[in-house]
Amino acid sequence: NAGVTQTPKFRVLKTGQSMTLLCAQDMNHEYMYWYRQDPGMGLRLIHYSVGEGTTAKGEVPDGYNVSRLKKQNFLLGLESAAPSQTSVYFCASSSYRDLDINEQFFGPGTRLTVL
Amino acid sequence: RKEVEQDPGPFNVPEGATVAFNCTYSNSASQSFFWYRQDCRKEPKLLMSVYSSGNEDGRFTAQLNRASQYISLLIRDSKLSDSATYLCVVVSGGYQKVTFGIGTKLQVIP
Repeated sequence: NAGVTQTPKFRVLKTGQSMTLLCAQDMNHEYMYWYRQDPGMGLRLIHYSVGEGTTAKGEVPDGYNVSRLKKQNFLLGLESAAPSQTSVYFCASSSYRDLDINEQFFGPGTRLTVL
Repeated sequence: RKEVEQDPGPFNVPEGATVAFNCTYSNSASQSFFWYRQDCRKEPKLLMSVYSSGNEDGRFTAQLNRASQYISLLIRDSKLSDSATYLCVVVSGGYQKVTFGIGTKLQVIP
């Protein structure tokens, strides 16, 4: 099992460009999450999904959109990138059966720089 | 006040030492607590859950104090491989709200 994979691993964008980050998991997890991690800020939840076809806003959703068309995939879109979106983006997944454990499995991260 | 607060450190300790981290949380209705470990430039991974009765996993002990609203992580006999950032995680709102602390950096020195 690959677990949680993220594509791409690195990306440099110019202000105003758009891009999509892809997250895929092969553990048949219901829940998927997108976080960003910045120095001194910790991990902050951008959007999450509790199942195929559903999405919800997290703590810092502005400037991002998401889609969960297939259970195994969770896409994060930046329509018009801004320098403030320079960050490391982590995708994670978890099973609703393990809510008490809340073990989130993270992907390796995408390092995004917006110039 | 931040929802979850941690001392970012770094904590520099010699091999074999015992070190403890605390994490405070502001929402008294929080229901679940966890410690994650994150190595440099890597993804976070679950270290252990934190139960009201306290729990131990080898050299690691986690405790919850609901009255004072903090959780703790104790590492005994520190190893070089324990060097990492330890993230406190608090879950509330019916498992819908997961809040990570900024992490405490531990450096174990030979």
